[in-house]
Amino acid sequence: GQQLNQSPQSMFIQEGEDVSMNCTSSSIFNTWLWYKQEPGEGPVLLIALYKAGELTSNGRLTAQFGITRKDSFLNISASIPSDVGIYFCAGINAGNNRKLIWGLGTSLAVNP
Amino acid sequence: KAGVTQTPRYLIKTRGQQVTLSCSPISGHRSVSWYQQTPGQGLQFLFEYFSETQRNKGNFPGRFSGRQFSNSRSEMNVSTLELGDSALYLCASSQNLVSNEQYFGPGTRLTVT
Repeated sequence: GQQLNQSPQSMFIQEGEDVSMNCTSSSIFNTWLWYKQEPGEGPVLLIALYKAGELTSNGRLTAQFGITRKDSFLNISASIPSDVGIYFCAGINAGNNRKLIWGLGTSLAVNP
Repeated sequence: KAGVTQTPRYLIKTRGQQVTLSCSPISGHRSVSWYQQTPGQGLQFLFEYFSETQRNKGNFPGRFSGRQFSNSRSEMNVSTLELGDSALYLCASSQNLVSNEQYFGPGTRLTVT
């Protein structure tokens, strides 16, 4: 099936560092969603973006809807051990009804 | 408000059998979507139900089917199981067909031997 290009695939950082990850698509999206998944659990919605250029924060997390509508970025500031998990981007494009298209995830490990 | 619940959490079946998974959406949510998650393919959309009707369908064979009940609870069924069907099956609910925000349950881990 169709997938988004999400990078990096994995990150290993020190506690307190900032983290950046991004997703790109070959087609235009009208919604971008960022999720976090921990072992044995389903993805948890972190941030939803609906408008090109939109910048939205949720605590230490900030996500942006790229102005080309083909990409999105997630930043985590001052990482802490509980940030560990897999972060997924997901998007919906206008021609795809409400089917979420997913990236393969960014696995984040934080060294205390 | 209780989240999305899925039962069972774990299931082991043998090839050729069939399986039914259950999902209860967040109270008040009327749309339920199903996804298959595997390490190699990531999350793949199976189908979406709203008001007991399938509204969207992914690219899965006809062995995968679902339904939704009048209380918005949903089930998905996989018949003639294959080894490749081993995956985490996730259910997500959203308020309606306008809201794009989907909230996931913990999933059902299906292992086919």
